[in-house]
Amino acid sequence: EIVLTQSPTTIAASPGEKVTITCRASSSVSYMYWYQQKPGASPKPWIYDTSKLASGVPNRFSGSGSGTSYSLTINTMETEDAATYYCQQWSSTPLTFGSGTKLESK
Amino acid sequence: EVQLVESGGGLVQPGRSLKLSCAASGFTYSNYVMAWVRQAPTKGLEWVASISIGGGNTYYRDSVKGRFTISRDNAKNTLYLQIDSLRTEDTATYYCAGRDYNKYIYYFDYWGQGVMVTVSS
Repeated sequence: EIVLTQSPTTIAASPGEKVTITCRASSSVSYMYWYQQKPGASPKPWIYDTSKLASGVPNRFSGSGSGTSYSLTINTMETEDAATYYCQQWSSTPLTFGSGTKLESK
Repeated sequence: EVQLVESGGGLVQPGRSLKLSCAASGFTYSNYVMAWVRQAPTKGLEWVASISIGGGNTYYRDSVKGRFTISRDNAKNTLYLQIDSLRTEDTATYYCAGRDYNKYIYYFDYWGQGVMVTVSS
């Protein structure tokens, strides 16, 4: 099973600040996927194929990486971006998720 | 409008059974690989089971093999999860989720609102 380790676990950012969340895989994966989840809501697809934004995702978000190291970046933080972000891989079964990064707005 | 609506959750005693349903609408259900993903209270997401578009292939995480059965009825646009021998560690919100088989994008485009399963005596 591929283990995905996200860091940091929690981060607080001010509006306008740049934010980077990292996801490291225990083995190489072809692509990384990301979801956004707000309290009491279902996860939303956010980034697919490592760097492509899902429909409706603001372009201040970006994704990058390869092999075992991937990241999600917010170029300029906005208060509405406060949420928990999960990475996910499906290069091998079982599909696995990272443990999540909680992003708070200062 | 795409909808995935789960039902069947509730409070159940350890060792008992439960069957979750997920009714799909607004998209071509038979083209979607479907799955159940759960989230224990205050915890992260955990894939539970997946089923192929025709229902002939099923996959489970190790901790639920032999206790959970995923199935689908494409005529009724419905996904199911039969849960037997419930354990306290199965307590979670269960989401049904779908991935378009025709797109080589390996994540879930669609998610339901979730249904809570609480296992307690």
